[in-house]
Amino acid sequence: QSALTQPASVSGSPGQSITISCTGSSSDVGGYNYVSWYQQHPGKAPKVLIYDVSNRPSGVSNRFSGSKSGNTASLTISGLQAEDEAEYYCGSWTSSSSAIFGGGTKLTVL
Amino acid sequence: QVQLQESGPGLVKPSETLSLTCSVSGGSMSSFYWSWIRQPAGKGLEWIGRIYGTGSTNYNPSFKSRVTMSVDTSKNQVSLRLSSVSAADTAIYYCAKSSGSSRPWGQGTLVTVSS
Repeated sequence: QSALTQPASVSGSPGQSITISCTGSSSDVGGYNYVSWYQQHPGKAPKVLIYDVSNRPSGVSNRFSGSKSGNTASLTISGLQAEDEAEYYCGSWTSSSSAIFGGGTKLTVL
Repeated sequence: QVQLQESGPGLVKPSETLSLTCSVSGGSMSSFYWSWIRQPAGKGLEWIGRIYGTGSTNYNPSFKSRVTMSVDTSKNQVSLRLSSVSAADTAIYYCAKSSGSSRPWGQGTLVTVSS
């Protein structure tokens, strides 16, 4: 199974909003409402930002939001802050009864 | 809140079996999924598999013939065994709670496969 497709990098200025896309197929992103998003700072463990397409775990800022349309999921970060600079990964459940991740997107805060 | 801690040998010889344990504190294990994910240095995340608190499992087809996961709710532990390892299995291995409204990850443990 191939990794989900994410842009290699995105950037934005403080205060702006950015969106990271995650494209799969009807066998994963499009077929299930089990898309998650993760934030990883260098040398740290990933942290779940969004699960089940649009749900935030307790403690995650409401500046992070998730959505899905067809085979593409999206993570939007509003009010960009310097601390948001990190690697972001999407993940999805698949028809193979397994999970798959995207290749990761490096967010640079200008 | 729930916290997870991975432990196990940091060095494994080629062809041998990698064995890791994830200790869970601060919450019940039995009604949730627990996943193992790995990350080679400088690369992305790779899902290995998950186990439910009752013991049912789902594995990444890429690992299916080599991986075994188990759960011991009396000890609040989840275990991972990966057989016939090679240098390609060198990575940071994470355990994570993957259901419910709280989904923490452990800090990860580096496993190097080398003779």
